[in-house]
Amino acid sequence: SAVISQKPSRDICQRGTSLTIQCQVDSQVTMMFWYRQQPGQSLTLIATANQGSEATYESGFVIDKFPISRPNLTFSTLTVSNMSPEDSSIYLCSVGQGYEQYFGPGTRLTVT
Amino acid sequence: GQQLNQSPQSMFIQEGEDVSMNCTSSSIFNTWLWYKQDPGEGPVLLIALYKAGELTSNGRLTAQFGITRKDSFLNISASIPSDVGIYFCAGSNLEYGNKLVFGAGTILRVKS
Repeated sequence: SAVISQKPSRDICQRGTSLTIQCQVDSQVTMMFWYRQQPGQSLTLIATANQGSEATYESGFVIDKFPISRPNLTFSTLTVSNMSPEDSSIYLCSVGQGYEQYFGPGTRLTVT
Repeated sequence: GQQLNQSPQSMFIQEGEDVSMNCTSSSIFNTWLWYKQDPGEGPVLLIALYKAGELTSNGRLTAQFGITRKDSFLNISASIPSDVGIYFCAGSNLEYGNKLVFGAGTILRVKS
């Protein structure tokens, strides 16, 4: 399976600021996804990151709040904009290989 | 939206005991996946199931794809302290564009 890295691994941010999370894969992949995992909760899909086109967002998530870039087949970024304490979560990227998905280590975000 | 009902929510068992957890849904799924998440890490894929009735093993782990395609279970035999973590089931189907839907997770705690 692909090796996936994320930066930063964790951050503490002030409300009203923005944070960009990077996801790097060691091989070219077609499908990349971004998830949010709120404290003590399961994973919720934010969006599918499409290479060369706009991301596809799930219900409840909007581009203005979570802009996503996918400049090539090995890299994607997720920005959490205008943060509030409710955005404190683990943000995970994943890659799809066939019907399986493999996850990065996650970015633990705390908003104060 | 689609939901997976995962049970039990948590388990506290003796080392050496067998463990069983399951996921059910009102929807039919084409793929069932089982993940384990350790603290501070991303979920790691344990077992993938693709056919109704399929029984697949990975070491001490065994998972089955239910005949109705609406459920799956995961068994862990002879549990050890490193089995501690959160186990998630996930399913995908054409109705949801082959994206993953996650269960709420089963927290496994092992008493040594």
